[in-house]
Amino acid sequence: SQTIHQWPATLVQPVGSPLSLECTVEGTSNPNLYWYRQAAGRGLQLLFYSVGIGQISSEVPQNLSASRPQDRQFILSSKKLLLSDSGFYLCAWGRRDRVYNEQFFGPGTRLTVL
Amino acid sequence: AQSVSQHNHHVILSEAASLELGCNYSYGGTVNLFWYVQYPGQHLQLLLKYFSGDPLVKGIKGFEAEFIKSKFSFNLRKPSVQWSDTAEYFCALKAAGNKLTFGGGTRVLVKP
Repeated sequence: SQTIHQWPATLVQPVGSPLSLECTVEGTSNPNLYWYRQAAGRGLQLLFYSVGIGQISSEVPQNLSASRPQDRQFILSSKKLLLSDSGFYLCAWGRRDRVYNEQFFGPGTRLTVL
Repeated sequence: AQSVSQHNHHVILSEAASLELGCNYSYGGTVNLFWYVQYPGQHLQLLLKYFSGDPLVKGIKGFEAEFIKSKFSFNLRKPSVQWSDTAEYFCALKAAGNKLTFGGGTRVLVKP
């Protein structure tokens, strides 16, 4: 079966510090990978998605970037965090096959920027 | 661009009451629709999905949703809720491509 991991689970960082959140998927190959931010009352906002190694699409302009160095690894980064980067970050994966369009979510990372 | 609206942000009800959560979307073409649920402290997980065929979709834990194309709606229902249904519920739409567009979510609190 497939599993998706995210770490760390929680993170408190000062403004201006760098960020690296990691997401890995097990039990599947060539997944589509996604980073979302969840804000209270605003649902899930898609930040980045990737259909393959080194292929990143950005959905909204922001202080964050994403990378996919390996097939089942997806990293969310920032060089300098802003207060507004605080939130709950979710990684998700989906199958490439068109028939299966659902996404499977990880446990999330709670980021607090002080 | 597509969008999803969930008009109820918070719902409070008692056990055994019926639940209906509204979801409306904006997109003119073929859609796939989903309801996800996030129980306290747990992963976001799929409740049910609509791809094609019968517009009345049954999911896990006694939930169902009806796709009404003419109304651009995909409302979630459960005839009799339990305390364990306390959670946040998200409606999502897949239009073109591999991306999901989510609604703002509805927090449901079921009082025992």
